Amino acid sequence: EPEVTQTPSHQVTQMGQEVILRCVPISNHLYFYWYRQILGQKVEFLVSFYNNEISEKSEIFDDQFSVERPDGSNFTLKIRSTKLEDSAMYFCASASSTDTQYFGPGTRLTVL
Amino acid sequence: GQQLNQSPQSMFIQEGEDVSMNCTSSSIFNTWLWYKQDPGEGPVLLIALYKAGELTSNGRLTAQFGITRKDSFLNISASIPSDVGIYFCAGPRATSGTYKYIFGTGTRLKVLA
Repeated sequence: EPEVTQTPSHQVTQMGQEVILRCVPISNHLYFYWYRQILGQKVEFLVSFYNNEISEKSEIFDDQFSVERPDGSNFTLKIRSTKLEDSAMYFCASASSTDTQYFGPGTRLTVL
Repeated sequence: GQQLNQSPQSMFIQEGEDVSMNCTSSSIFNTWLWYKQDPGEGPVLLIALYKAGELTSNGRLTAQFGITRKDSFLNISASIPSDVGIYFCAGPRATSGTYKYIFGTGTRLKVLA
């Protein structure tokens, strides 16, 4: 069964460094999303992406964040200058329509 | 802001017992979804509900979409150790041409063998 994949599974970085989290959505999907989950808390929406542009972003998704679909298969989240409070699990999700979203296994980001 | 409240927050049960948890909202959702999250993993879809009053089963899981469209419950029958995890409800909110999911606060389930 097709699934969303994410790499790396765990990323450790120093505060102020740039990180790129990578996702490979399910191949025929057209809608892409990033969510974040701080340890012990609920999953929160960050951004949605369709037709090569951002559809909506939350207040968490400030100027330090960007997303890109550099080719036909990858979908990336970049954090330009990481802060301690960016430490969280980051989940990519994709959907074939405006219907059910399927989530990847997540990347655990630890900012030191 | 929009919030989905889940109860109970956590529960310990004995293997073989039935479990019930629910999710409530102050605003209407047209779809309700139940996800399970294992430690260190992403949410996995369990059941999707599309119509008010709908009752849907998936193996030992049963979920119902409340008539008011402001609540839903999830039941697990005859729990087993692998049912351990966090159960989230989620509801989609329309954004520009797509939906974003609003997740509930989660119910953490621990099963004692």
